[in-house]
Amino acid sequence: SYVLTQPPSVSVAPGQTARITCGRDNIGSESVHWYQQKPGQAPVLVVYDDSDRPSGIPERFSGSNSENTATLTINRVEAGDEADYFCQVCDSSGDHPGVFGTGTKVTVL
Amino acid sequence: QITLKESGPTLVKPTQTLTLTCTFSGFSLSTSGVGVGWIRQPPGKALEWLALIYWDDDQRYSPSLRSRLTITKDTSKNQVVLTMTNMDPVDTATYYCAHSRMVRGDSFDPWGQGTLVTVSS
Repeated sequence: SYVLTQPPSVSVAPGQTARITCGRDNIGSESVHWYQQKPGQAPVLVVYDDSDRPSGIPERFSGSNSENTATLTINRVEAGDEADYFCQVCDSSGDHPGVFGTGTKVTVL
Repeated sequence: QITLKESGPTLVKPTQTLTLTCTFSGFSLSTSGVGVGWIRQPPGKALEWLALIYWDDDQRYSPSLRSRLTITKDTSKNQVVLTMTNMDPVDTATYYCAHSRMVRGDSFDPWGQGTLVTVSS
């Protein structure tokens, strides 16, 4: 089965850097998207195609993808960044047109 | 400004068919490269990709749910409809629709507010 593995939780102090990983064999060959979801709200796209940011998303959010791990990095973490984060891979021509990761809860200490 | 809103029953019985409608504004589903997808999220759990329909009526489905899902569009009404047959309590979830663009790797942006569907007798 197609599984994108994320750590269940990441804790970070304000002002520090949070790194959230998304793992799968050879994920570096695919495009990865990242979503932020705050309690009771719909998800919001924060990074698409590995490292691009939609308009309105702070530069503190960045992404990378290589070999078996994609990473969402949040620099200078703020209290408002506390949320669940999900990675996603889309393969419209393959057997798995869309898959989400298991999700990571980011806690700001 | 793009907006989407899901509508449909909040409660369905086991074995029934669920029909959800996504009504959107701010874009046209006849524009090349545009799509609308459905995603669900059981309470306290992860997101699950369900289906996606493109401007050219091409449809994509989750392999594990393909036999139960149908996605259609009505471009004139700016609506996309998802039907899911043979509902079960494990299908209890918040169901979201979202806008996608091929030039952004079919990422979903923005999303509707979601609608909670409970499956119970």
